[in-house]
Amino acid sequence: SQQGEEDPQALSIQEGENATMNCSYKTSINNLQWYRQNSGRGLVHLILIRSNEREKHSGRLRVTLDTSKKSSSLLITASRAADTASYFCATAYHNNNDMRFGAGTRLTVKP
Amino acid sequence: AAGVIQSPRHLIKEKRETATLKCYPIPRHDTVYWYQQGPGQDPQFLISFYEKMQSDKGSIPDRFSAQQFSDYHSELNMSSLELGDSALYFCASSQGAVGELFFGEGSRLTVL
Repeated sequence: SQQGEEDPQALSIQEGENATMNCSYKTSINNLQWYRQNSGRGLVHLILIRSNEREKHSGRLRVTLDTSKKSSSLLITASRAADTASYFCATAYHNNNDMRFGAGTRLTVKP
Repeated sequence: AAGVIQSPRHLIKEKRETATLKCYPIPRHDTVYWYQQGPGQDPQFLISFYEKMQSDKGSIPDRFSAQQFSDYHSELNMSSLELGDSALYFCASSQGAVGELFFGEGSRLTVL
């Protein structure tokens, strides 16, 4: 399937530390997106990286994409307790109207 | 700014009953997506619509159907409900076939 596979499944860090989450996928994509979800709430879009991009920044977020390895990473720098949430990567096929989500990484940032 | 509106937010049904969930996308968004998320699970893609036509289908059971209406709102109809259908159902919308998805807060369905 196209779904991204994420690791780690769970990550627990102290406030101020950096958090890195990885995502792998199986076939070629148009773009890859990262979403955040607080427990029981809707998903919130964080960042989109296109297949011809290698790195993208947004505030404390840094996303990389390696299409040769079919993988992406999300780095959250200087984490805060409020960053505690589940983080999902999602991939979009070329010319396809679905978006497939990976299993997600549950991040806990301890104050 | 207007967001994706889903209703109802909570729904309790008995087994074998029918449920209908509604989704109102962000104005001028032409693509609507439905996802199902079980407890502790990742969102599973069910179905999507582009300009009121079904555009893709994921792991949607045959007991479920969906459509998008002329005003772009969408409804997910679920029949012969089973206990395993208990989940959060999210609707999302986007402008164009590929791009950022905007999610609603979800409809929590509980089947007893």
